[in-house]
Amino acid sequence: AQSVTQLDSHVSVSEGTPVLLRCNYSSSYSPSLFWYVQHPNKGLQLLLKYTSAATLVKGINGFEAEFKKSETSFHLTKPSAHMSDAAEYFCVVSRYGGSQGNLIFGKGTKLSVKP
Amino acid sequence: DGGITQSPKYLFRKEGQNVTLSCEQNLNHDAMYWYRQDPGQGLRLIYYSQIVNDFQKGDIAEGYSVSREKKESFPLTVTSAQKNPTAFYLCASSRGRWGETQYFGPGTRLLVL
Repeated sequence: AQSVTQLDSHVSVSEGTPVLLRCNYSSSYSPSLFWYVQHPNKGLQLLLKYTSAATLVKGINGFEAEFKKSETSFHLTKPSAHMSDAAEYFCVVSRYGGSQGNLIFGKGTKLSVKP
Repeated sequence: DGGITQSPKYLFRKEGQNVTLSCEQNLNHDAMYWYRQDPGQGLRLIYYSQIVNDFQKGDIAEGYSVSREKKESFPLTVTSAQKNPTAFYLCASSRGRWGETQYFGPGTRLLVL
């Protein structure tokens, strides 16, 4: 069975400093992995997606994530935080099996950015 | 512009009442999904549909019902059997194949009077 664990429920950084949001996954198969972002009272927006083409995935707004099979991790990073990055971030794995196309969501990490 | 629309943005339900949340997409996607979001719990799948006139229960289907009569539309009814309906409801769509990206609507917040 697939699962995903976001290791921090809340991360706080200062503007201009690096961002690291941690995610570990469990999957019996080579997974598809995603990071989505949600601003308050809004829908989810795709940041980036891993599908085995390259282990370092670049997304929108300067975010990137690295797939590490040996560590079963897919951490999200950004070199320099901006105030507009304050939001909730979800790490997601694609469910394999009968319900193909479905996604399994982590519980989310709230990112706060201090001026 | 292609996308997913949800209406209304806010919905109020009285005790014992059924309410229906609308979801429409013009992305020509085969698959559509309904999720419930509660604080600190991420998103949980209520129902999904991979093709017109077919749908499957997700992880938390009790107290909800859906229909899929048209490719573009996937309404969700929150029935009186759902005892704790207050949540943020998100609709999504995708091509339906494994690993495909899901695209989300703006959400509907349901509140109980």
